[in-house]
Amino acid sequence: NAGVTQTPKFRILKIGQSMTLQCTQDMNHNYMYWYRQDPGMGLKLIYYSVGAGITDKGEVPNGYNVSRSTTEDFPLRLELAAPSQTSVYFCASSYSLGLNTEAFFGQGTRLTVV
Amino acid sequence: QKEVEQDPGPLSVPEGAIVSLNCTYSNSAFQYFMWYRQYSRKGPELLMYTYSSGNKEDGRFTAQVDKSSKYISLFIRDSQPSDSATYLCAIYKAAGNKLTFGGGTRVLVKP
Repeated sequence: NAGVTQTPKFRILKIGQSMTLQCTQDMNHNYMYWYRQDPGMGLKLIYYSVGAGITDKGEVPNGYNVSRSTTEDFPLRLELAAPSQTSVYFCASSYSLGLNTEAFFGQGTRLTVV
Repeated sequence: QKEVEQDPGPLSVPEGAIVSLNCTYSNSAFQYFMWYRQYSRKGPELLMYTYSSGNKEDGRFTAQVDKSSKYISLFIRDSQPSDSATYLCAIYKAAGNKLTFGGGTRVLVKP
């Protein structure tokens, strides 16, 4: 059972470079999310999607872009990497929102911008 | 003021002790309350959820919500070294579909 799969697991970027963090889920979940986790700061929502073709900003969207062309995939794009984007990024998916919502998380991508 | 506050720890206890974890929140519109467990270098996984004031038990875990004080707790009885992890509270507000996480408390259970 794959669940939520993120690639890559680790990446070092230079300032100004761009990259795409990949996220795929095989649970047919409509809802998908991208979070970043900084030490002691909890998870901050970057973007989320309630279905294919629909995306919306979370708390910290600046510097990122997303797309949702299929139910399974929800890639996160960093266009001009900055040191402030050094973090651990988690993709998650859920069947619904609210009570009984369990968000399933991927293993995370550790990104360092130097 | 953060919407959800959680002591970062670390909280170190001997095996078999009761672990007590707390979160406070500021927005009374929050409706559903969850606890996630995150092992080192892994994604969080849901432990428990509740939406009402009072206690909810699941095995060695008890989640407690006090909406009047805006305070939620997680108790782990008979703690085991395998309980060593970071525990994050998460609170959901239906209006705006917003799930807000606390910063997490790191717990270490020593054999």
